[in-house]
Amino acid sequence: QQQVKQSPQSLIVQKGGISIINCAYENTAFDYFPWYQQFPGKGPALLIAIRPDVSEKKEGRFTISFNKSAKQFSLHIMDSQPGDSATYFCAASIMAGGSYIPTFGRGTSLIVHP
Amino acid sequence: GAGVSQTPSNKVTEKGKYVELRCDPISGHTALYWYRQSLGQGPEFLIYFQGTGAADDSGLPNDRFFAVRPEGSVSTLKIQRTERGDSAVYLCASSLRLRAGETGELFFGEGSRLTVL
Repeated sequence: QQQVKQSPQSLIVQKGGISIINCAYENTAFDYFPWYQQFPGKGPALLIAIRPDVSEKKEGRFTISFNKSAKQFSLHIMDSQPGDSATYFCAASIMAGGSYIPTFGRGTSLIVHP
Repeated sequence: GAGVSQTPSNKVTEKGKYVELRCDPISGHTALYWYRQSLGQGPEFLIYFQGTGAADDSGLPNDRFFAVRPEGSVSTLKIQRTERGDSAVYLCASSLRLRAGETGELFFGEGSRLTVL
């Protein structure tokens, strides 16, 4: 059972365009929603995150939109750059024992053409 | 270095053999996680330690998988009687025990790529 569903599986965007990745979850116990970026041969690294009491969070060119009632959230990358080419994972996290445990989506491979 | 360190970076073994994968977390991080990432998939949760104890081991697929963290720092993931389906990248991450206002950021290592022939 896939607890966090992510789409699309792959995405190709021209430089300067907007990249949009969508995620949906089922478990209402999730209360922290991070996005991780992963380059080939590296571990995932936190990009941006949001808590469910906020509908939008923006950091530079990256924005998370969160719809609690629909149990959906999305990542928007404005003015996409070739250096943004990577795999992006959404996650939904539950607090346990003093730290969050993220459940990851299957990932979106983003290619930004120059 | 200051990041999460994992060894070996690559391990090739034969079906049925025993394997140990090591993780050295960021100093001062009390939480340590193991995830498994198959090709083209997202990281799949295996086990989470808070200090020396396994706070959640619900992701371990079967009793061939075991992990320890005896002194609350370095952790070892142990896989007995390896199978071809165990081939994946095993990721370790660490994080702080949260205080009010802190993020739940996990810091990942580069992973140990396990290939079972």
